[in-house]
Amino acid sequence: EAGVAQSPRYKIIEKRQSVAFWCNPISGHATLYWYQQILGQGPKLLIQFQNNGVVDDSQLPKDRFSAERLKGVDSTLKIQPAKLEDSAVYLCASSLDRVTDTQYFGPGTRLTVL
Amino acid sequence: TQLLEQSPQFLSIQEGENLTVYCNSSSVFSSLQWYRQEPGEGPVLLVTVVTGGEVKKLKRLTFQFGDARKDSSLHITAAQPGDTGLYLCAVSSGSARQLTFGSGTQLTVLP
Repeated sequence: EAGVAQSPRYKIIEKRQSVAFWCNPISGHATLYWYQQILGQGPKLLIQFQNNGVVDDSQLPKDRFSAERLKGVDSTLKIQPAKLEDSAVYLCASSLDRVTDTQYFGPGTRLTVL
Repeated sequence: TQLLEQSPQFLSIQEGENLTVYCNSSSVFSSLQWYRQEPGEGPVLLVTVVTGGEVKKLKRLTFQFGDARKDSSLHITAAQPGDTGLYLCAVSSGSARQLTFGSGTQLTVLP
C-alpha cells in the first residue's frame, strides 16, 4: 500500500514570497491533516479535513495560510506571503477516519524562508 | 505551558546501553501514543496505551502508561544505532480527536 505522498520535499524562498505544498493521502483515507513542525519541536496541527470539509482550522494563521481539499482526496497548503518564522517542516497525515485515530504521516516538505 | 513535557530533550548513548525517556502532564488522558521520527521522515506510530498501569512491549522497547494516566515512559534495552531518532508522545482530544504532540526526545545511539 502506498503511503502519504508530499511534494516538493524541499523549498527555499525569500520572505514575502508565496509557496504551495501538495499532499496525496493514502487511498480511501477520509481524514487529512496538515502539521507544522518547527526545528526542535513536535508537530503542531494546522488544519484537519474530513473528506472535503474542514473539521478544525483553529491553529491555522488564516491571514497568510490557506488550505483546500476540493475533491476530498489531494490537498494543497499555501502560504502567502511567507515570513521568516514560517521556516519549518510541513507534514501531511491521513487516517481512515477521525475516530480510528491512527494517523500515517508523509515525509514532509522542509521550507526555508530567507 | 506545554500540555506534554518530554524529558530529556537530548540523549546520546553508546550502543548496548539501556535508556528511559519520559512524557509527563498534569492532565489525565484516555490514551497516549508514542511515535518515532527519523531524519527526513514523518513520525511513525509505535504504540498506543489506553489503560492506567498498562505495559506494552515491542521487541526491545517497553512502554508504560502511568496508573493515573497522566504520564508515560519508554524504556529501550540494549540500544542500537537503528534506534536513533526523535521520540514523540502524543494525545488526542476534542470532538475532532486532534493530536497534540510533546516536543520530543532526540536520541542518538553511537556505534
